[in-house]
Amino acid sequence: DAKTTQPNSMESNEEEPVHLPCNHSTISGTDYIHWYRQLPSQGPEYVIHGLTSNVNNRMASLAIAEDRKSSTLILHRATLRDAAVYYCILRDTLGGSQGNLIFGKGTKLSVKP
Amino acid sequence: NAGVTQTPKFQVLKTGQSMTLQCAQDMNHNSMYWYRQDPGMGLRLIYYSASEGTTDKGEVPNGYNVSRLNKREFSLRLESAAPSQTSVYFCASSEGWEFPSNYGYTFGSGTRLTVV
Repeated sequence: DAKTTQPNSMESNEEEPVHLPCNHSTISGTDYIHWYRQLPSQGPEYVIHGLTSNVNNRMASLAIAEDRKSSTLILHRATLRDAAVYYCILRDTLGGSQGNLIFGKGTKLSVKP
Repeated sequence: NAGVTQTPKFQVLKTGQSMTLQCAQDMNHNSMYWYRQDPGMGLRLIYYSASEGTTDKGEVPNGYNVSRLNKREFSLRLESAAPSQTSVYFCASSEGWEFPSNYGYTFGSGTRLTVV
């Protein structure tokens, strides 16, 4: 079972920042927080992941709460191409089958021009 | 620069027919996975192969078999297709199955299968 909770859908305006929330109140000390997104008619693609500290890459930023029970994916300037379903997933660093990606339903992000 | 390649992209089967979905990756990844995605749902893990020579069941393995042919290729077989297996199938690969902390998955573009 997915161990994260995300809103079903969100809307954003083009060129504005987007904050996608994720709750994971039962996170364990060995869980990494991963984000993937799936554009229409495509396979999921990796966005970002982190453990405790905030992370930045060319696609997005990940802000992790101090207690790690929630996190936020930040798209700094949404474009129409960012319209997708965004999945927040916990991945156990202990590896093995516990490290397999288990997807929930994600958040469908719509971007308005 | 192909990443993960799936064939075919589309397929229509009649109930009871068999077929094999092919997947190949060129990133020298150890681990490979098969997922299915039904309308409005997230992806569900069917089978995975942590390394060459091993395969294990995921969440929804019934009605499927897999073969890890070599390090590059991981195939999914439907022996007797049923309408409930109508879905989009995604193959993925990753490095570091035993120590996954720094590695993401790379997914193929999917196979759309319809069973009538």
